[in-house]
Amino acid sequence: QSVLTQPPSASGTPGQRVTISCSGSSSNIGSNYVYWYQQLPGTAPKLLIYRNDQRPSGVPDRFSGSKSGTSASLAISGLRSEDEADYYCTAWDDSLSGWVFGGGTKLTVL
Amino acid sequence: QVQLVQSGAEVKKPGASVKVSCKASGYTFTSYGISWVRQAPGQGLEWMGWISAYDGHTNYAQKFQGRVIMTTDTSRSTAYMDLRSLRSDDTAMYYCARDDCTDGVCYLGPNWGQGTLVTVSS
Repeated sequence: QSVLTQPPSASGTPGQRVTISCSGSSSNIGSNYVYWYQQLPGTAPKLLIYRNDQRPSGVPDRFSGSKSGTSASLAISGLRSEDEADYYCTAWDDSLSGWVFGGGTKLTVL
Repeated sequence: QVQLVQSGAEVKKPGASVKVSCKASGYTFTSYGISWVRQAPGQGLEWMGWISAYDGHTNYAQKFQGRVIMTTDTSRSTAYMDLRSLRSDDTAMYYCARDDCTDGVCYLGPNWGQGTLVTVSS
């Protein structure tokens, strides 16, 4: 059971906009930044969003992050086939004194 | 460019120990901490702990306290993760990840190792 809650799956057609939610609590998302990772099959996770809504250089602006209260969201616009991957949210948890992850969302591009 | 290169796959018997290395290059090793994250087959990511490459200070996830030891060798720019008393449910891909820091707030940055598969089987 993951500390952060994500839907196990999401899907969309090319060109569509999809959002992936991440729900936590006051000890993690509610008081700390949220980060998002993309993991393609057989590869290490890739940082997509840091500090709630910042994109590392090289990440397309089709990816955006937001946070409100104890929840966060990752939005992907202009969906492309190469976006098919697993997506994970993470945040520092003050009670656990460690990083906690969501269970991951498998995005399928139909 | 920043690179983290991990040691090769391991097969261990239950009760044994495994030591995974993570060799860093492309930056000043002692300026950033290293986290270890694992992923069981078909499962999600799990943070195991963190070590400061500057002074060796560690912070282990409660689940692994008493069973994991993280160390660094600054002369080799290498971090190590030693997991003891292995069980079948420790079978996983183990990743090292370097901190990135912005305005004094550090996080699991964009630089990860390629992963080391540890298989625990009798």
